[in-house]
Amino acid sequence: DQQVKQNSPSLSVQEGRISILNCDYTNSMFDYFLWYKKYPAEGPTFLISISSIKDKNEDGRFTVFLNKSAKHLSLHIVPSQPGDSAVYFCAAGQGGSEKLVFGKGMKLTVNP
Amino acid sequence: DVKVTQSSRYLVKRTGEKVFLECVQDMDHENMFWYRQDPGLGLRLIYFSYDVKMKEKGDIPEGYSVSREKKERFSLILESASTNQTSMYLCASSSHGTGNEKLFFGSGTQLSVL
Repeated sequence: DQQVKQNSPSLSVQEGRISILNCDYTNSMFDYFLWYKKYPAEGPTFLISISSIKDKNEDGRFTVFLNKSAKHLSLHIVPSQPGDSAVYFCAAGQGGSEKLVFGKGMKLTVNP
Repeated sequence: DVKVTQSSRYLVKRTGEKVFLECVQDMDHENMFWYRQDPGLGLRLIYFSYDVKMKEKGDIPEGYSVSREKKERFSLILESASTNQTSMYLCASSSHGTGNEKLFFGSGTQLSVL
């Protein structure tokens, strides 16, 4: 049973436009969420996180929104840049557990 | 900055060989993890360790074992490699905390089993 779902495998946007990456989860015990970015032949790198006590967290061009009632979060990238082209993983964790559960990832392509 | 180092970027092994993947972190993190990444399947947890000599199975431990004799080093062992273990293997570490645990990943080892 997949607890963290990224239902769209890919997204293509034009440079300068907004990229919106979506993630759904099923386990209501998750209380923090993270986004990782991965370039080919490299390990994932942490991008941004949000705690369940918040509904929004912003860091420069990146904003994560959390809708707990819908068990949904999204990552907004504004404006999108070609260097943002990568695979993005959504992950969720539960306080007291050392493990994160990852989604399958979504490939973002930003076209110049 | 945290550094997680995986000993090999690329490995090619034969079916039936015993394979060791090594990972070292330099930030005194308590937790260490082994994931594999496959197209369409994302990151799946194989094993993790939250202390020296401690280990717990992840979601897909079959065919793998691990060793953590020192805090900074976590080894993944494929007892008898099979072709379905061809994958990108990612090591990660994190510190104990009260939440928002952030994983730091190594660059990965692309293993091909022929």
